[in-house]
Order: sequence, then structure tokens, then C-alpha cells
Amino acid sequence: AQSVTQLGSHVSVSEGALVLLRCNYSSSVPPYLFWYVQYPNQGLQLLLKYTSAATLVKGINGFEAEFKKSETSFHLTKPSAHMSDAAEYFCAVSDQAGGGNKLTFGTGTQLKVEL
Amino acid sequence: GAGVSQSPSNKVTEKGKDVELRCDPISGHTALYWYRQSLGQGLEFLIYFQGNSAPDKSGLPSDRFSAERTGGSVSTLTIQRTQQEDSAVYLCASSPGPLTSYEQYFGPGTRLTVT
Repeated sequence: AQSVTQLGSHVSVSEGALVLLRCNYSSSVPPYLFWYVQYPNQGLQLLLKYTSAATLVKGINGFEAEFKKSETSFHLTKPSAHMSDAAEYFCAVSDQAGGGNKLTFGTGTQLKVEL
Repeated sequence: GAGVSQSPSNKVTEKGKDVELRCDPISGHTALYWYRQSLGQGLEFLIYFQGNSAPDKSGLPSDRFSAERTGGSVSTLTIQRTQQEDSAVYLCASSPGPLTSYEQYFGPGTRLTVT
């Protein structure tokens, strides 16, 4: 079974500071990994995904993530936080064992951006 | 274009009643997923439909939960004899197909409160 661990349920950064949201995964097969963002009272929006191509993945809104197999990590970063980045972020791993693209999510990290 | 829509946006029901939640996927999307988002359990996969294939029901938490997808489009998630632990946000997602390369597009969710 696959699983995802997100360290830190709440992260607070200053506007303009580096954003680092941590994600570690467990998978018995080469994983497909995703980061989603959820704004209040909205559904999830895909930020970026890793599907075994380049290990450094660039997404929307200036976010990127690096797949590190040796560390089983897929941390999300953004060089300079903006107030509009305040939201909840979910890391997910795909389970294709039975067909389809069922996602297993981490518990989420709430990002707060302060002036 | 139109995204994934869900109705109702909010539903309050009494314990023991049955509820139906509706999902309208993006036109032409053959894959449809239901997830549940709750405080205690985070985001969980419930059920997956792909075209005319038998659905993957492996995530349904009990036999009180069922879902159908009519004509390969609209889906209805039914919860019978609701319990307080069923209170959660139910999210629907659709994608052009089952592959990981296809992004899942999420609806805004239905917030279910069981009193």
C-alpha cells in the first residue's frame, strides 16, 4: 500500500520568504506524485505532478518540487511567498495497481503568509 | 468551459436518513472519482468509474455507501441510514481517462452534516 506523510500541519512564512512544504512517500512501485492546493470552500487544484520524467518539476504560480528517490521525498518550494499563496496544500501519490489513478493524499499543510 | 459541478453545495440531514449527492463531470471525461474529506480521516478515495467498466468500489467505507454513473456522465453517491461520522465534504473529480498523465479536475464539493 502507498502512503504519504506531510510534516507540519501548519506552516507560517513572511511575504517574500521561501516556502518549503515537506512530503515523504512510501511506495512499492515507482510512484507518481502530485501536489494540490485547496482554497477555502473550493475543490482541489493541481499545482504540479511527477510522472517519472524530469526529477525537478515546475508547476503553476511559481511552485516547483524535486523528486528524490534516495530520500523518498517530493518537497514543494516557492522562492518568494505571496499573500495569495495562503491555502491548504496536499501531497498525493497515485495507486495504479488496480487500474485508474486513485490518489492517496497526505493530511495536508495549511500555509499562512504574513506581512 | 464548465468545470466539474456538484449539488447540493451543502446538505444537512438527520441521523438515519438517506442522502443523494450529485456530480456532473466535465463533458467527455470518461473517468470519475469520488473522495471524502473529513477532519478525522483527511482525504480518502471512495469509488472510481471508468467508461462502461465495473466501478472500483474498494474505498467505500461500508455497505451504506453506493454510487452509480448513468450514461457514462452524471454520478450519484448515495448514503443510506446516515451516521454522524458520515459528516464530511464529498469531492468529485473527473479526468479524460484513467492514466496518471491525465489531471483530475475537482468539483467544489458537497458539505454533508449529519445531526
